[in-house]
Amino acid sequence: ELKVEQNPLFLSMQEGKNYTIYCNYSTTSDRLYWYRQDPGKSLESLFVLLSNGAVKQEGRLMASLDTKARLSTLHITAAVHDLSATYFCAVLFFGNEKLTFGTGTRLTIIP
Amino acid sequence: DGGITQSPKYLFRKEGQNVTLSCEQNLNHDAMYWYRQDPGQGLRLIYYSQIVNDFQKGDIAEGYSVSREKKESFPLTVTSAQKNPTAFYLCASSAGDSAGNTIYFGEGSWLTVV
Repeated sequence: ELKVEQNPLFLSMQEGKNYTIYCNYSTTSDRLYWYRQDPGKSLESLFVLLSNGAVKQEGRLMASLDTKARLSTLHITAAVHDLSATYFCAVLFFGNEKLTFGTGTRLTIIP
Repeated sequence: DGGITQSPKYLFRKEGQNVTLSCEQNLNHDAMYWYRQDPGQGLRLIYYSQIVNDFQKGDIAEGYSVSREKKESFPLTVTSAQKNPTAFYLCASSAGDSAGNTIYFGEGSWLTVV
């Protein structure tokens, strides 16, 4: 069964702190995506990770992929209030063009 | 500008009615998708299409129907068989099989049953 699990589901953190969101998936993946969603809005693409060891960074966000562990992480450095949103990982599994989403992590940055 | 256009943004449906949500893209993408999102929840796949005149059921296809007669268009019909259709509906597209292709989302359509 194709499963994608994120944790934590909810995360409150103070501005200036670092934290990591984890995304585990159940079987071999072709691609892994990270998205951001603001309340009542659509999804904004953040990263596409293709291969083992891939690391991508944009501003205070950095995503990495370990295909052997079937794990991706989204690391937040020195959080600022503007990063408050829900973050989703999504996995495209080999031989299956269905993009399967994780449950999402609702991130709240507290001043 | 290239992008994905969904319409209407807000739609109210009476019980027993069918409604159709429009999704149009001018990105020349082969693959298109429909997702449903319930409040505070993740996204669930309804239908997807990898090429014109072909589409597959996703995880929650019951009560929905789609067509893919043109590359740029992938309308979703919510039928009266869908018992709880109130949700946020998102259409997406991608260039298809090539590795690294981002999947882009439209702005979404809010459907409410009254």
